[in-house]
Amino acid sequence: KAGVTQTPRYLIKTRGQQVTLSCSPISGHRSVSWYQQTPGQGLQFLFEYFSETQRNKGNFPGRFSGRQFSNSRSEMNVSTLELGDSALYLCASSPDTSKNSPQYFGAGTRLSVL
Amino acid sequence: GNSVTQMEGPVTLSEEAFLTINCTYTATGYPSLFWYVQYPGEGLQLLLKATKADDKGSNKGFEATYRKETTSFHLEKGSVQVSDSAVYFCAVGFGNEKLTFGTGTRLTIIP
Repeated sequence: KAGVTQTPRYLIKTRGQQVTLSCSPISGHRSVSWYQQTPGQGLQFLFEYFSETQRNKGNFPGRFSGRQFSNSRSEMNVSTLELGDSALYLCASSPDTSKNSPQYFGAGTRLSVL
Repeated sequence: GNSVTQMEGPVTLSEEAFLTINCTYTATGYPSLFWYVQYPGEGLQLLLKATKADDKGSNKGFEATYRKETTSFHLEKGSVQVSDSAVYFCAVGFGNEKLTFGTGTRLTIIP
């Protein structure tokens, strides 16, 4: 079974631009979560989607948004990029929302904002 | 909200040494507990998990026991290898609600 696939793996943007990151979950998984990883802040939760609905949202500004499609694939968008948005963005999928279902992570998209 | 306090690193050990990485958590209710590992240049991989008190998660020689009385989930391995060098994250969560991660512990194993 293929794992979680994130594209692109690397991205370089300049301040003020916007960016869209993509995540394809493991086949059959309906829940997708996004995390931001930086050396200073560690791993921080962005949002979670299940069946095309956002179920949870972390403490990030409105410039960060996401969506999920009917095939469970998810995208996240960051508008008006700032230098501090440089990070590794990780996507994780899970089959359902039960307590015992762990999350499986992709390799991430490394975003550099210049 | 939930929180995880993880042993600060970096930790450097010789091959075949015994490893313990401490993790304690605060959470209401009965969360699931996880250890994830991140190898250089890669995303996180689930190492092991425990879903209720006294459960022991184990994988690749690593073990951790869910201790509700001490709210701990310490990671142990009896004999580490160079290939175990990575960053280890303890996490607490309820189903697919957001996972709360510790700050990570960088482990380096010297031959």
